[in-house]
Amino acid sequence: QVQLVESGGGVVQPGRSLRLSCAASGFTFSSYAMHWVRQAPGKGLEWVTVMAYDGSSKYYADSVKGRFTISRDNSKNTLFLQMNSLRAEDTAVYYCAKYDLSLLAFDIWGQGTLVTVSS
Amino acid sequence: EMVLSQSPGTLSLSPGERATLSCRASQSLSSSYLAWYQQKPGQTPRLLIYGASSRATGIPDRFSGSGSGTDFSLTISRLEPEDFAIYYCQQYGRSPKWTFGQGTKVEIK
Repeated sequence: QVQLVESGGGVVQPGRSLRLSCAASGFTFSSYAMHWVRQAPGKGLEWVTVMAYDGSSKYYADSVKGRFTISRDNSKNTLFLQMNSLRAEDTAVYYCAKYDLSLLAFDIWGQGTLVTVSS
Repeated sequence: EMVLSQSPGTLSLSPGERATLSCRASQSLSSSYLAWYQQKPGQTPRLLIYGASSRATGIPDRFSGSGSGTDFSLTISRLEPEDFAIYYCQQYGRSPKWTFGQGTKVEIK
């Protein structure tokens, strides 16, 4: 079945780095733009970043620009998020999400991985 | 910068009642770019509506979306126990950038 599985979350000190992964299965990963969306504890959803299906373009929310880097390996059906210079306000559940251009919506979401930035 | 404002923040209703949720955009947007999601506690968001009014696969017909320009709404015709959740609207805009509303919680009265 169609599935996204995130991993790599954990507790990290402010200023340190963390790398998240999202393994995709059940669909042609290389045909879809992929996003990261986060949700701080008890808060709403916040879009973080997107990478085009072929990696040719990527965009970031202002809150993470210059600190986070999205990448993908289509040969391994995997999406990544490199997070540097982490701050307390980056504490959140990070979801990867498949974006369907025919729907113009996020149709598949992973279960999320929790990142806690704390000293 | 586009802002989506959802109202009310919380809607207290009983099973069987009708729920109407509002999503107002700070600028006019194409209805093609407006979607609605449902999130239950401890669960991942689920796509309900795309293109402002089209139901996603497997979504019951008690869910309907409407609107255009800056005003959009999600209606649940008769609330079932499993419908009590938080609902988010979302739009795609220039930059490009994706934006979510702050959410409306539908709770049992």
